[in-house]
Amino acid sequence: EVQLVQSGAEAKKPGDSLKISCKGSGYIFSSYWIGWVRQMPGKGLEWMGIIFPDDSGPKYSPSFQGQVTISVDKSISTAYLQWTSLKGSDSATYYCVRRSAWSLIDYWGQGTLVTVSS
Amino acid sequence: QSVLTQPPSVSGTPGQRVTISCSGGNFNIGSNTVNWYQQLPGAAPQLLMFSNNRRPSGVSDRFSGSKSGTSASLAIDGLQSEDGGDYYCAAWDDSLSIYVFGTGTEVTVL
Repeated sequence: EVQLVQSGAEAKKPGDSLKISCKGSGYIFSSYWIGWVRQMPGKGLEWMGIIFPDDSGPKYSPSFQGQVTISVDKSISTAYLQWTSLKGSDSATYYCVRRSAWSLIDYWGQGTLVTVSS
Repeated sequence: QSVLTQPPSVSGTPGQRVTISCSGGNFNIGSNTVNWYQQLPGAAPQLLMFSNNRRPSGVSDRFSGSKSGTSASLAIDGLQSEDGGDYYCAAWDDSLSIYVFGTGTEVTVL
């Protein structure tokens, strides 16, 4: 069974750094792209970017370029989403997703709620 | 960031048919297949329909999809209380080089 299991909820202060994770199992992790999607409270879904575990370069949405860093450690089947200096506007639920061989976004993680408040 | 437009809400009584429209452009729906996601209250989105009109294993045949030109639609036949939630269309956009989502539609079962 394909599973994407994300790290738990985080409560941070503005200016803090943060790295959340997404561990894939039930499939060959290194053969599928992993992406990240943001959902702000009460709002819709926004594409952030995607990375291929066997490749070096993540591809970011222009809206998120320079704001976050996407990385992967294929040795432990885990993808990451990272901030160096959080803002209140980063408060959201973040989902990791898998992209299939046919470019289909088919599986979603359970989501990681990030709350940024002073 | 949403470049696909959906109605904010649709509603119906149990047993009714409701449809959700999704309007895009030449570089997304016009060039690529459309997928639909269902997000039940408090849960992560799940794939509901892919390649315009194909259902993943386990999805009820009460759900159907279609696409024409730069628009797509999702229909729910025999509406049930468990169908209440948010629905999103999505497609790759060849111009923006990103996956774009619809604005989302809240389905309310009266």
